Amino acid sequence: DVKVTQSSRYLVKRTGEKVFLECVQDMDHENMFWYRQDPGLGLRLIYFSYDVKMKEKGDIPEGYSVSREKKERFSLILESASTNQTSMYLCASTLGGPGANVLTFGAGSRLTVL
Amino acid sequence: GNSVTQMEGPVTLSEEAFLTINCTYTATGYPSLFWYVQYPGEGLQLLLKATKADDKGSNKGFEATYRKETTSFHLEKGSVQVSDSAVYFCALKTGANNLFFGTGTRLTVIP
Repeated sequence: DVKVTQSSRYLVKRTGEKVFLECVQDMDHENMFWYRQDPGLGLRLIYFSYDVKMKEKGDIPEGYSVSREKKERFSLILESASTNQTSMYLCASTLGGPGANVLTFGAGSRLTVL
Repeated sequence: GNSVTQMEGPVTLSEEAFLTINCTYTATGYPSLFWYVQYPGEGLQLLLKATKADDKGSNKGFEATYRKETTSFHLEKGSVQVSDSAVYFCALKTGANNLFFGTGTRLTVIP
């Protein structure tokens, strides 16, 4: 089975801190995604990457950046955390190309910014 | 553009009741359609999918039929169990790499 592992399940940070959320997948998937999940808003795409060192903005990239130096790892970075970034962050991966490729999700990282 | 509209929750049902969660979509081209489920404390996982019109996806007693004429993909189950309590997300995927998700519907099944 594909596994997507997010390094931290729960984090508490202070406003202005730099935050790193790490995600690793073990099935050689080309595509990786970072979503944010908030009640009543569903999942919103922050960034995705379809190859090493490649990245594309999603629907809500402001305040975030990403890094993909290796195929299996996709990091989400909050340069200066703010309270409105308190949320559940979900990483996912999938094979590349068109078709009904299924996303495999990690368990999520719940970030609280004080 | 692409979007998914799903039934507002929360939904509370008694065990063995019939479940319907409505989902309609707007898409360019011919999307694939999905239902994902998120159990408490976990990430999302695929429940079922359909890739073309009139396809029926099914899994764990859940079913959904891809209706192109009504642009719908409603989720149904004939007899829900307490273990089905979760948040359900409808999603679509076009030829691009991204999925578009609905806002999610929380289901609670009481004994």
